[in-house]
Amino acid sequence: GAVVSQHPSRVICKSGTSVKIECRSLDFQATTMFWYRQFPKQSLMLMATSNEGSKATYEQGVEKDKFLINHASLTLSTLTVTSAHPEDSSFYICSASGTSGGQFFGPGTRLTVL
Amino acid sequence: DAKTTQPPSMDCAEGRAANLPCNHSTISGNEYVYWYRQIHSQGPQYIIHGLKNNETNEMASLIITEDRKSSTLILPHATLRDTAVYYCIVRVAGGNQGGKLIFGQGTELSVKP
Repeated sequence: GAVVSQHPSRVICKSGTSVKIECRSLDFQATTMFWYRQFPKQSLMLMATSNEGSKATYEQGVEKDKFLINHASLTLSTLTVTSAHPEDSSFYICSASGTSGGQFFGPGTRLTVL
Repeated sequence: DAKTTQPPSMDCAEGRAANLPCNHSTISGNEYVYWYRQIHSQGPQYIIHGLKNNETNEMASLIITEDRKSSTLILPHATLRDTAVYYCIVRVAGGNQGGKLIFGQGTELSVKP
């Protein structure tokens, strides 16, 4: 149980385009989902927390207009990187938490912006 | 900022026990100690968590000192597949925003043949 998926697993896009990443909890209802970013050889950095049906809460220094988060249902959250630039290239990871309190991570999405 | 301190790297011989230390001297009374690991280019994997008692599951054991200011994760018989970065995190239990995980730099464990 407690499986979280992400789609796509990797994406390459041109500078200036927008990219959407999906995070799904497959076998439980996720009241809260978290989005992280990880640069090479660095730790995970929390970007934002989203609760189903409400606006996401962003960590300090994360631009909410650039990283749009939608948590429209208890099993799906999306992260859209708008007007992506090469510096946005990174490994994006989501996690989901349900009523049990445990937090389970997706496999990550590798974004490369050319 | 992360509330834990871990050595940046450790080596362990295959088949031997791996003991990974973590200092969390500012832990609050309602904060749990969580351990996750991340194998290269994958999402973190939950290992174990505890409040004040020692815990054991099929993956590992967690030993928390009586004053709760430090803990040790024990992998009893390390295998090559246990090579990963191990993160020790303190957080309030629960799935709401207050339970968010803040990752430090972790310990890079290398299990060698």
